[in-house]
Amino acid sequence: NAGVTQTPKFRILKIGQSMTLQCTQDMNHNYMYWYRQDPGMGLKLIYYSVGAGITDKGEVPNGYNVSRSTTEDFPLRLELAAPSQTSVYFCASSSSREVGGGTQYFGPGTRLLVL
Amino acid sequence: QKEVEQDPGPLSVPEGAIVSLNCTYSNSAFQYFMWYRQYSRKGPELLMYTYSSGNKEDGRFTAQVDKSSKYISLFIRDSQPSDSATYLCATQYNFNKFYFGSGTKLNVKP
Repeated sequence: NAGVTQTPKFRILKIGQSMTLQCTQDMNHNYMYWYRQDPGMGLKLIYYSVGAGITDKGEVPNGYNVSRSTTEDFPLRLELAAPSQTSVYFCASSSSREVGGGTQYFGPGTRLLVL
Repeated sequence: QKEVEQDPGPLSVPEGAIVSLNCTYSNSAFQYFMWYRQYSRKGPELLMYTYSSGNKEDGRFTAQVDKSSKYISLFIRDSQPSDSATYLCATQYNFNKFYFGSGTKLNVKP
């Protein structure tokens, strides 16, 4: 049981480039989330999904897109990278069968540097 | 006003000390409260999860919620060097409403 896995671990992008951050969970959780963590700023929710085919915006969605075609996968797409998107990105999942939406299990993170 | 406020520290204590980590939150509607531990260059991992007011104990860790003052605390007894990490408090309003503190960095010196 690998839990939540993320690839790549680290990436350098040039301004204007695009990339997809991959996230996979093997716990059959229907809720999945993408956060970014900036130094001293805590975690901010970018997008979330309550199940395959259903996604919605979080607190800071601008500059990102997501899709959820399967229960396991929840990729995050950056279309036109900007220096403000330099951050550490975490994917998380939880089970709707738990009270309140359940506790979140986090992946190891992807460090992104936009130059 | 931020939903959750947390002193960033850093907090440095000797091994064996009792550690007290604290957060305040703004919305009285929050019902679920969590503490996460995050080691350097790792994802957060859940330590404690409590509902409403009161105390919850798990080994050396005790989580305390005081809804009247909107105050969340985590106590670590007999602290160990392996407890050195950043501790994040969080509140949950709904399945899609999570609010995290900025984290307190703890260093336990041998």
